[in-house]
Amino acid sequence: AQSVTQPDIHITVSEGASLELRCNYSYGATPYLFWYVQSPGQGLQLLLKYFSGDTLVQGIKGFEAEFKRSQSSFNLRKPSVHWSDAAEYFCAVGYTDKLIFGTGTRLQVFP
Amino acid sequence: DTGVSQDPRHKITKRGQNVTFRCDPISEHNRLYWYRQTLGQGPEFLTYFQNEAQLEKSRLLSDRFSAERPKGSFSTLEIQRTEQGDSAMYLCASSSPDSVGALKQYFGPGTRLTVT
Repeated sequence: AQSVTQPDIHITVSEGASLELRCNYSYGATPYLFWYVQSPGQGLQLLLKYFSGDTLVQGIKGFEAEFKRSQSSFNLRKPSVHWSDAAEYFCAVGYTDKLIFGTGTRLQVFP
Repeated sequence: DTGVSQDPRHKITKRGQNVTFRCDPISEHNRLYWYRQTLGQGPEFLTYFQNEAQLEKSRLLSDRFSAERPKGSFSTLEIQRTEQGDSAMYLCASSSPDSVGALKQYFGPGTRLTVT
């Protein structure tokens, strides 16, 4: 069955530090992969997506993600975190016109 | 592009009451999705429409839940005889018609339902 695993429930980083959020997926075919961010009380905002082609994808707000088929992973990275990046981050895989989400990683940023 | 809107943003109801939520998608989008998000979890798919047609329903959508999109524009999600387990954030999303674009879904702010 299709599924998404985000192993880290909660991550804390200092402002200016680098960030990597992990995502592993289970999917039989070439996956369509997404990262969304959700701020408190808000809906989900699309950060970036992978459909095909270059395995390193750039998104909004300085985020990037790398698709690694051999590891079934799609990790999200940012070289320098800002306090405004504190939020919940969700990885998702597209499956038959719907999205299957992971359980999310809550990012806390200390000044 | 005014984005996806949902109304109300918050709803508190007593167990056993019926509630209805509304979603207005981005105007040129013909696909509309409903998801449910409980505390500490990611959103879970409930159902989706292409124009007026409801194409798929999740097994999470019990008989107490019904969704409509009568004119292919806005959609309503009704929950009858609410239970405390229905307490969640109900998210609506919309997407464009093409096959890959359908997966690029734009989400509304959600309706937070609390059943007391």
